Amino acid sequence: DTGVSQDPRHKITKRGQNVTFRCDPISEHNRLYWYRQTLGQGPEFLTYFQNEAQLEKSRLLSDRFSAERPKGSFSTLEIQRTEQGDSAMYLCASSLGGGGLNTEAFFGQGTRLTVV
Amino acid sequence: AQSVAQPEDQVNVAEGNPLTVKCTYSVSGNPYLFWYVQYPNRGLQFLLKYITGDNLVKGSYGFEAEFNKSQTSFHLKKPSALVSDSALYFCAVRDIEQAGTALIFGKGTTLSVSS
Repeated sequence: DTGVSQDPRHKITKRGQNVTFRCDPISEHNRLYWYRQTLGQGPEFLTYFQNEAQLEKSRLLSDRFSAERPKGSFSTLEIQRTEQGDSAMYLCASSLGGGGLNTEAFFGQGTRLTVV
Repeated sequence: AQSVAQPEDQVNVAEGNPLTVKCTYSVSGNPYLFWYVQYPNRGLQFLLKYITGDNLVKGSYGFEAEFNKSQTSFHLKKPSALVSDSALYFCAVRDIEQAGTALIFGKGTTLSVSS
């Protein structure tokens, strides 16, 4: 086990509904990442937090997506007005961050979203 | 732009034989390079990384990888494959000199080790 936990593990929703996913990183990790993975592809970066500050967002993160990390602990990823194209595995990862970017990230098991 | 290529969708090897999973990268600056493994119904697990120094890095489960700057490659290797090594392997790169922190992943290579 990597120590990063995600909830729920699976979510089936109807198109147009809103969904929210939660990620609890490894407790001492100050960096948190969200990725999306579709079948046959590697994970694609969505967004990054250092503590509570959202420092980077991918162009993949449309206006329907929002992420928060209040108090620099757990994080939530919300998708509004879901579309079938949002169906994917959503991965959360965390890492220790100092001055460099050479630390490895530890991934959770992911939340599999199916939009019907 | 940063990118990672894993030219083989699948690698098949017999147990006990050496294995290689290929990875090439493209960055504008110097790279940090990583290998991750994904087992069914489990999250990505870190195997090893190249940051600086010795071009041959050793990681978990007997895996190693060789950084080759001239060929922009970071192939994953293991001297003797086990059936339990069968999984999906991802190479990832981060450009040291870019402001972003994102790891860029390849599409993955499925390793199948037969007994």
